[in-house]
Amino acid sequence: AQSVTQLDSQVPVFEEAPVELRCNYSSSVSVYLFWYVQYPNQGLQLLLKYLSGSTLVESINGFEAEFNKSQTSFHLRKPSVHISDTAEYFCAVSASGGYQKVTFGTGTKLQVIP
Amino acid sequence: NAGVTQTPKFRVLKTGQSMTLLCAQDMNHEYMYWYRQDPGMGLRLIHYSVGEGTTAKGEVPDGYNVSRLKKQNFLLGLESAAPSQTSVYFCASRLETSGTYNEQFFGPGTRLTVL
Repeated sequence: AQSVTQLDSQVPVFEEAPVELRCNYSSSVSVYLFWYVQYPNQGLQLLLKYLSGSTLVESINGFEAEFNKSQTSFHLRKPSVHISDTAEYFCAVSASGGYQKVTFGTGTKLQVIP
Repeated sequence: NAGVTQTPKFRVLKTGQSMTLLCAQDMNHEYMYWYRQDPGMGLRLIHYSVGEGTTAKGEVPDGYNVSRLKKQNFLLGLESAAPSQTSVYFCASRLETSGTYNEQFFGPGTRLTVL
């Protein structure tokens, strides 16, 4: 069985400040890890993913996440947030073989304050 | 490509009524999923399909049925709606490629209220 924990349900941050959204996972097998973003009244969009190789993965809009196997974490970071980053962010985990069921975390609402 | 579309966008039902939510994808994806999203609970998998004519139960299947008669469509049915089924429903699809992982593409959601 696998699970994902996002401890912060809401994170307020001032514009141009750095932010970290925390994600911890639990799994007995090798995993793939994902961050999805959901803008208001929209579906989820993949932000970035870790499948293998470099433990640091980046998105096209300045977010990055680092896979830390020893701490079973996949925290999402951005050095300087914009108003447009206001959204809900979901961490997700999938076993790296077989059917690849994806388990989602409960989400973190990022509120960027002007 | 329209991607993943969902019909309807909004619906209000009375307890005991039935309805069908339609999901359509034009990306020729093998895998399709139905999730529900509730505040503070993230997305929970209701049912999924790994190909035309096949369906399987997910995490919270009770009270729902599904059908995948055509590869591009995945229907979610509520036979007798209950207030506990008030939620936002998302459909997703994924291309299956041996040896790699492909992301899920999500539809815009259907907001269902059961009174």
